[in-house]
Amino acid sequence: EADIYQTPRYLVIGTGKKITLECSQTMGHDKMYWYQQDPGMELHLIHYSYGVNSTEKGDLSSESTVSRIRTEHFPLTLESARPSHTSQYLCASSDRVGGYTFGSGTRLTVV
Amino acid sequence: GDSVTQMEGPVTLSEEAFLTINCTYTATGYPSPFWYVQYPGEGLQLLLKATKADDKGSNKGFEATYRKETTSFHLEKGSVQVSDSAVYFCALSVLQGAQKLVFGQGTRLTINP
Repeated sequence: EADIYQTPRYLVIGTGKKITLECSQTMGHDKMYWYQQDPGMELHLIHYSYGVNSTEKGDLSSESTVSRIRTEHFPLTLESARPSHTSQYLCASSDRVGGYTFGSGTRLTVV
Repeated sequence: GDSVTQMEGPVTLSEEAFLTINCTYTATGYPSPFWYVQYPGEGLQLLLKATKADDKGSNKGFEATYRKETTSFHLEKGSVQVSDSAVYFCALSVLQGAQKLVFGQGTRLTINP
């Protein structure tokens, strides 16, 4: 079944640690996205990719980085986690006619 | 730039009440509107969408009509259930240049039995 997978679902980590949030999709979509959802619910685009070796920063500045070495994989990395990075991170992908599919999200807590 | 404005919440209703959540937008290019739903502790699920003017999207008893003249895509349901309690997001995809999904701020809906 075509889908989009995010791991881990929940992560509690100490300040200064390096973390990578995983996102994989099985639909062959070229476009992938990372959204950050703050406790007030608003969703902010922080990174997107139009295909392999293509990455762009989104509308909200983020200290995270992304890579797109394979079509199905779009990991997000924080080199040094801080409490201000505590949030929910949602990954999504879209097809050529604008149909979007979202993962279940990773809820990150930095202590 | 493209933006979505949605009715502020939280919204609390009794079971079987009529629901409307307003959504209006400003956009360049050729926008396509969506409604997404987020249940507690989960990601976003597509609820319904429209692809051209006057299209009506419907799913699970929810409906929304894409009104180009008023740039609106209001969500309605005739009789809500407790299980409809969730956060609802209106969103817009503009298929021009950088294709991105722009979200409204979300409306938290609580249905009491």
